[in-house]
Amino acid sequence: GAVVSQHPSRVICKSGTSVKIECRSLDFQATTMFWYRQFPKQSLMLMATSNEGSKATYEQGVEKDKFLINHASLTLSTLTVTSAHPEDSSFYICSAPPPRGRGNTEAFFGQGTRLTVV
Amino acid sequence: AQSVTQLGSHVSVSEGALVLLRCNYSSSVPPYLFWYVQYPNQGLQLLLKYTSAATLVKGINGFEAEFKKSETSFHLTKPSAHMSDAAEYFCAVSDSIRGSTLGRLYFGRGTQLTVWP
Repeated sequence: GAVVSQHPSRVICKSGTSVKIECRSLDFQATTMFWYRQFPKQSLMLMATSNEGSKATYEQGVEKDKFLINHASLTLSTLTVTSAHPEDSSFYICSAPPPRGRGNTEAFFGQGTRLTVV
Repeated sequence: AQSVTQLGSHVSVSEGALVLLRCNYSSSVPPYLFWYVQYPNQGLQLLLKYTSAATLVKGINGFEAEFKKSETSFHLTKPSAHMSDAAEYFCAVSDSIRGSTLGRLYFGRGTQLTVWP
């Protein structure tokens, strides 16, 4: 099946610094990538949708300047948490729509990134 | 609009007992429905999915779910719980069956399953 690789799996950073999270589709091209955030003991909420070659689409309430999303190529999407604060500590996970022509009907998720801001 | 309601944030069962995790959905179009499992500090693993074929769907690890349109439900069951089933379970709905939004999911709040020895 299709594989989405997400790195890093865990990161601890100081307050005020920026953190970049990468998601790569390993054996297929992903023109779209979904970025979710999961607060402790809560569900996953869609933050934004990245699109290769165009600007990302952000969900209501998500700060575009704080969560920078770049879809640099057909296999790479990145989420950068800028000037991170402790309240940004969360579990971030990406997913790619199923590749065309393979008959899949489910999204493929990365392994997730646990961000802790101290 | 699409939404998912998972009744019960915590479910506890004894090992060997029936597992029933409830999920009701709301969708303006015929939905695709999914159950995912998440172990601590890990990503999501797909258990099973409903994509308008058979209403009774069998998944991995002995889990199954039945799509009931009249009840807008997609409850997850397993006849006999195992200790290794202890995890967080998420029900999700997708409103798209084609195009670039295919794969965008709306998740329920999750149900933490505890299995007692």
